[in-house]
Amino acid sequence: TQLLEQSPQFLSIQEGENLTVYCNSSSVFSSLQWYRQEPGEGPVLLVTVVTGGEVKKLKRLTFQFGDARKDSSLHITAAQPGDTGLYLCAGASNTDKLIFGTGTRLQVFP
Amino acid sequence: NAGVTQTPKFQVLKTGQSMTLQCAQDMNHEYMSWYRQDPGMGLRLIHYSVGAGITDQGEVPNGYNVSRSTTEDFPLRLLSAAPSQTSVYFCASSLFAGTAIYGYTFGSGTRLTVV
Repeated sequence: TQLLEQSPQFLSIQEGENLTVYCNSSSVFSSLQWYRQEPGEGPVLLVTVVTGGEVKKLKRLTFQFGDARKDSSLHITAAQPGDTGLYLCAGASNTDKLIFGTGTRLQVFP
Repeated sequence: NAGVTQTPKFQVLKTGQSMTLQCAQDMNHEYMSWYRQDPGMGLRLIHYSVGAGITDQGEVPNGYNVSRSTTEDFPLRLLSAAPSQTSVYFCASSLFAGTAIYGYTFGSGTRLTVV
C-alpha cells in the first residue's frame, strides 16, 4: 500500500511569516499534485509536478518535486489569512488511482 | 457552471437504511471516483471508473456499490448503512484515466451521518 505522509499536521502562524509543508513517501510517483480545501468545499487543484526536481511557482507558493519523485514540498512566502485551509498532496502511480496524504491544516492569523 | 455536482449536501440515515449519493459531471470527463474523508485520515478511495460501463474497487469498497451507465453520472450506493460510514463523501472527475498530468475536479461533498 502506498502511503503519503504530510508534515506538519497542523500549522498556526501570523500573517507575513513563511512556511513549508512536506509530503513524503517510500514509493515513487509518476506525478504529484497539491490541493487546497476550504471548509464545506471539495479540494481544489493548485499544481501538478511531473519531473523529478521540478519547481513550480504560483504567486507566493513554490512547489518542488523531489529528485527521486518520492517527496514534495510546498513553501508559502509571506502567508496571508486567505491562505488558510487544508493542504493535501496526492501522488499518482502507474495505476488509475490517486493516493492522498493526510493533509496539513494551516491557520494564518492577521 | 461546469463542474461536478453532488446531491444531497447533507443526509442523516438510520442504521440499516440504504441510499444513493448522486454525482454528475458535465465536462465529458472519462474518469470518475468516490472518496470518503474522515478526520486525520485524509481522502480514501472507495470506487472509481475509467469510463462508461467500467468500474473498479479502491481502498475501502466494502458496503458500497457503484455503476457507470453514462459518462456523466456515477452514483454511489450504500447498501445497509452503518455508523462507521458516517463521513464526508466526495466525487471527483478527471479528463482521462491517467492521472499523471490531469488533476481532479471535486464536487462540494455530501456529509452523511448514520445513527
